[in-house]
Amino acid sequence: EPEVTQTPSHQVTQMGQEVILRCVPISNHLYFYWYRQILGQKVEFLVSFYNNEISEKSEIFDDQFSVERPDGSNFTLKIRSTKLEDSAMYFCASRAGVANTGELFFGEGSRLTVL
Amino acid sequence: KNQVEQSPQSLIILEGKNCTLQCNYTVSPFSNLRWYKQDTGRGPVSLTIMTFSENTKSNGRYTATLDADTKQSSLHITASQLSDSASYICVVSRDNYGQNFVFGPGTRLSVLP
Repeated sequence: EPEVTQTPSHQVTQMGQEVILRCVPISNHLYFYWYRQILGQKVEFLVSFYNNEISEKSEIFDDQFSVERPDGSNFTLKIRSTKLEDSAMYFCASRAGVANTGELFFGEGSRLTVL
Repeated sequence: KNQVEQSPQSLIILEGKNCTLQCNYTVSPFSNLRWYKQDTGRGPVSLTIMTFSENTKSNGRYTATLDADTKQSSLHITASQLSDSASYICVVSRDNYGQNFVFGPGTRLSVLP
């Protein structure tokens, strides 16, 4: 069964460092998302991406964050200068088409720990 | 404010018992409502998706209901198993393109032997 894959599964970094989280969405999917979940809290929307551009972003997704789809298969989330409060599980998700009932498939997540 | 609330926050039941989880939402506009299961440290996995016109939908031992008038949904789990221990998250989609999802805080279910 096709799945969304994320790497790394866990990354530990020092505050102020740049981090890139990678995702490979399901191959025929068109819509891509990044979410984060701080330990013990609910899943929060960061950004959605369609047709090679950001379609929507939340207040959390400030200038320190960026997304890219560099090669048609990978979908990356970059945090330019990490802060302690960026420590969370980051989930990538993808969806096939324009049908509003399209299933959203999540990856297993990348746990980011900022020290 | 667009919000999804869930109750109870946590629930403990014995294996083989049934349970019902609740979701109330104030999201507008409403496109569809989804229930996800999230095992600890894993990504959410879709259980059901319901549109405005659907009142009930089943997926194995999981049955979701939707009352769009009262803006309430429930997820009923029948004959619970140890593997049902997880967080169950209610998610409401706001727009017709499914771009804008509002997540609830989840209900943490523990099934004990």
